[in-house]
Amino acid sequence: GAVVSQHPSRVICKSGTSVKIECRSLDFQATTMFWYRQFPKQSLMLMATSNEGSKATYEQGVEKDKFLINHASLTLSTLTVTSAHPEDSSFYICSARGQGYTNQPQHFGDGTRLSIL
Amino acid sequence: LAKTTQPISMDSYEGQEVNITCSHNNIATNDYITWYQQFPSQGPRFIIQGYKTKVTNEVASLFIPADRKSSTLSLPRVSLSDTAVYYCLVALNSGNTPLVFGKGTRLSVIA
Repeated sequence: GAVVSQHPSRVICKSGTSVKIECRSLDFQATTMFWYRQFPKQSLMLMATSNEGSKATYEQGVEKDKFLINHASLTLSTLTVTSAHPEDSSFYICSARGQGYTNQPQHFGDGTRLSIL
Repeated sequence: LAKTTQPISMDSYEGQEVNITCSHNNIATNDYITWYQQFPSQGPRFIIQGYKTKVTNEVASLFIPADRKSSTLSLPRVSLSDTAVYYCLVALNSGNTPLVFGKGTRLSVIA
């Protein structure tokens, strides 16, 4: 079945560091990918919609200069958390649906645990 | 996007059938109903999806009444490994439509 891969699975870094997270669709092309954030004991919260070859669409309250999204190809979207601080520590998850497919479910990556010291 | 309502939590013993009901009163004509399972520190995993009536796969069944204002996920003979959070989502299944997650149902399976 469709697989979405995220890398890295875990990051621990110092405050002020910028961190890049990759999301790849392994066996299908995705013109659109989605980025979510999940805090402990809470549900997934949609951050942004990543569009191949164009600017991402951010949800209200999500800083686009803080969370840079690049979707340069049909199989790769990246999320960069710039100048990360402890409050950015969270579980980041991406998802995608195959290009041109309707009535097909979204598939999710296994997430990236970001811990800012 | 249709809002969904599910029980916050459920408990079950191993070997029992578990039914989790989701309400989605304002579901749109072209919306599909999709259920995901999430274990701690993992991304959601697709379980089952349907539009109307009944859908069954190797892990679950999904029952959808004619008015589509609710749906029930049925897990046959649960085991300890089925302990997870289960999310019901309703959305148009097009490529650029995001899924908006509710709080989900935390299922605890007890030995």
